[in-house]
Amino acid sequence: SQELEQSPQSLIVQEGKNLTINCTSSKTLYGLYWYKQKYGEGLIFLMMLQKGGEEKSHEKITAKLDEKKQQSSLHITASQPSHAGIYLCGAGALNFGNEKLTFGTGTRLTIIP
Amino acid sequence: DAEITQSPRHKITETGRQVTLACHQTWNHNNMFWYRQDLGHGLRLIHYSYGVQDTNKGEVSDGYSVSRSNTEDLPLTLESAASSQTSVYFCASSVAGGTQYFGPGTRLTVL
Repeated sequence: SQELEQSPQSLIVQEGKNLTINCTSSKTLYGLYWYKQKYGEGLIFLMMLQKGGEEKSHEKITAKLDEKKQQSSLHITASQPSHAGIYLCGAGALNFGNEKLTFGTGTRLTIIP
Repeated sequence: DAEITQSPRHKITETGRQVTLACHQTWNHNNMFWYRQDLGHGLRLIHYSYGVQDTNKGEVSDGYSVSRSNTEDLPLTLESAASSQTSVYFCASSVAGGTQYFGPGTRLTVL
């Protein structure tokens, strides 16, 4: 079965600084989802990457998919307190027709004013 | 607006009791999923359904059951609650091949 490892497990960053979160798969990635979870709340969908080399951005968050490295990265530019939370990556099965997702254990992001 | 809701949001029960957690979505999604979230384990899939009358076991299905009698609802039943089932439970739904959208979660404590 596929396993996803996220690094770092936790991150404390001063407001305004940039940061990167990584998600590495034990198997080839054919598609990857990024979600954000605020403490005590549900998961909010951020982005989905499906093609190798694909890069998507939303506001100050950019996600990239590197199929060769079986890895995806999430980069936040000029971090703000609103970026604080837990970021989770999730990957689908081989053909993406199976929607069952395997999730990483999450990265807890704290922003210091 | 379409949404996915879970009830109750918090539940405290005793070991051995039967508990049912509700999940309701108004998106008319065929796919519905139940996950549990625990420290150190992330999200793990309990059961899922691809449509009415369809149910499938996930990674951690022992002690849980689901039934799908209509498109909107996928209730999760803990047949005999155990302390190991203390967790936060999330329901999600999606169209075929689409993004999963999550409910707000139910925090269950089994004493």
